[in-house]
Amino acid sequence: KNEVEQSPQNLTAQEGEFITINCSYSVGISALHWLQQHPGGGIVSLFMLSSGKKKHGRLIATINIQEKHSSLHITASHPRDSAVYICAADDGAGSYQLTFGKGTKLSVIP
Amino acid sequence: NAGVMQNPRHLVRRRGQEARLRCSPMKGHSHVYWYRQLPEEGLKFMVYLQKENIIDESGMPKERFSAEFPKEGPSILRIQQVVRGDSAAYFCASSILGQGDYGYTFGSGTRLTVV
Repeated sequence: KNEVEQSPQNLTAQEGEFITINCSYSVGISALHWLQQHPGGGIVSLFMLSSGKKKHGRLIATINIQEKHSSLHITASHPRDSAVYICAADDGAGSYQLTFGKGTKLSVIP
Repeated sequence: NAGVMQNPRHLVRRRGQEARLRCSPMKGHSHVYWYRQLPEEGLKFMVYLQKENIIDESGMPKERFSAEFPKEGPSILRIQQVVRGDSAAYFCASSILGQGDYGYTFGSGTRLTVV
């Protein structure tokens, strides 16, 4: 069974700062998902990636398959980016279960 | 494009009552997954369904919990005789193909409070 670890647990940043959230997993995967959850709100899927790098607006996600590690970067952070960011490992190979990290709570201060 | 619709958004039940949580998948999606998020914990897989079939229910508690996805209508997660420990946020996700080959779309969740 995959173990998914995220760091840091909590992150406070000043508006405009570059932010990095890390995710590592223990078992090879078919895909890695990054999700965003606002307080009391639903979950939004940000990225699904199996190799390399993806970019959407100010968000960038990278994955290193050999090192079993992924990062989510936010450039020019803004208070509206304040949310919990969750990574989830998709084991594939007949498994239908996502294994989730515990999330990183990001607060961006004006 | 309505996305994944879950209702109700909030549900309060007394201990011993039944809770019914509904999930309508995104249009064109025939695969539904239920996840539970306990307070201060990460999301945990519960069950994966296709129309009229339960594919994987290995994350479901053995008693009191059941799920269905009928030919017509939404997927239902049913919790009988609720207890305080069932208080959590329950999220549904859907995908076009199994195993989320083209990604998952999540709903806004149902927050169940057992009093």
